Amino acid sequence: LAKTTQPISMDSYEGQEVNITCSHNNIATNDYITWYQQFPSQGPRFIIQGYKTKVTNEVASLFIPADRKSSTLSLPRVSLSDTAVYYCLVGETYNFNKFYFGSGTKLNVKP
Amino acid sequence: KAGVTQTPRYLIKTRGQQVTLSCSPISGHRSVSWYQQTPGQGLQFLFEYFSETQRNKGNFPGRFSGRQFSNSRSEMNVSTLELGDSALYLCASSLGVSPLSTDTQYFGPGTRLTVL
Repeated sequence: LAKTTQPISMDSYEGQEVNITCSHNNIATNDYITWYQQFPSQGPRFIIQGYKTKVTNEVASLFIPADRKSSTLSLPRVSLSDTAVYYCLVGETYNFNKFYFGSGTKLNVKP
Repeated sequence: KAGVTQTPRYLIKTRGQQVTLSCSPISGHRSVSWYQQTPGQGLQFLFEYFSETQRNKGNFPGRFSGRQFSNSRSEMNVSTLELGDSALYLCASSLGVSPLSTDTQYFGPGTRLTVL
């Protein structure tokens, strides 16, 4: 079971770029890296997923080094509405028993 | 396309009772997973159903059970409720096919269960 380690919390200001790093030293060959965002009393929302190198979509970028033992979620120009908990997951996408959400990172965006 | 829906949204029960929660996945999704979220334990995987069969199971006692119907809708049941079962129960749906696909889980809003 590939567990993940993230900072418990981070503070940022509106307009800044935020980088959240996740460690997953025991990641397996078939594991993908997925990030979710969760607001209070709501279900997690998919942000981005990758396997190696860099992935970018309309809301975030995901950087994965060659050894894949860590990954960094980058949120460009955050706003107050980005205040949420961000979870990093690793696991084979078809075998949900291997999904481990961990404690996540509480991002607090200040005005 | 409608998202994942869960009913009821809020529920209050007493110890010893049993409860059934319902989840309707996104149209076309065949996999439904259930999670329990508490402040102390975070998000924990309960089980996953695919085509009416339980495909994966987490480390929860037998009081927690589920099923999936032919239309992919799923229910989970908790019997003999304990105070520690108070939590947000989340359902997630996905296509659930192809082992190495980028199969994304879409979560519902959850059911807030309070056990008194």
